[in-house]
Amino acid sequence: AQSVTQPDIHITVSEGASLELRCNYSYGATPYLFWYVQSPGQGLQLLLKYFSGDTLVQGIKGFEAEFKRSQSSFNLRKPSVHWSDAAEYFCAVASGGGSYIPTFGRGTSLIVHP
Amino acid sequence: KAGVTQTPRYLIKTRGQQVTLSCSPISGHRSVSWYQQTPGQGLQFLFEYFSETQRNKGNFPGRFSGRQFSNSRSEMNVSTLELGDSALYLCASSFAAGGGTDTQYFGPGTRLTVL
Repeated sequence: AQSVTQPDIHITVSEGASLELRCNYSYGATPYLFWYVQSPGQGLQLLLKYFSGDTLVQGIKGFEAEFKRSQSSFNLRKPSVHWSDAAEYFCAVASGGGSYIPTFGRGTSLIVHP
Repeated sequence: KAGVTQTPRYLIKTRGQQVTLSCSPISGHRSVSWYQQTPGQGLQFLFEYFSETQRNKGNFPGRFSGRQFSNSRSEMNVSTLELGDSALYLCASSFAAGGGTDTQYFGPGTRLTVL
């Protein structure tokens, strides 16, 4: 069965600092991988996704993620965090082949200090 | 283009009752997926509908059901409510089926409280 682990429940960074949110997955084949962001009272917004090809994926809002098969990881990065990035971030994995049932991590809450 | 809308936004029910939640996808989108979000279990996939047919289903009891209409609007129903059904229910729409290959757009959710 597929699973996703986000080891950090909370992360605190200063505005302007770099950010890396960790995500490890368990899945037999090449997975579909996603990062979503959820602001308070809002639904989820897709930041980026990886299916195949270039392992460095660029997303919206200046985020990027790197797929590392050897480490079963798909970490999210941003070179300079803005106060508006404070939110909950979710990593997700899904199988392909038309049977799309995503599994989400428990989320990482990002706190940004001024 | 209007986003995904969910009604109602908040709902309070008592144990044993049933509830129906509604989701209107983005115009032109034919796939609607439902998710349950709770502090204890996190985000869990409920089911996906495409062109009025259920394509995928998560691991939830039969009390959770859904349907999709010809205009792509979708409803989900929970019968015989339990306290553990208290959650934020999120709906997401996409143009194609199999949300993994097509970007899903989420609504703000319906907050269900079961007393």
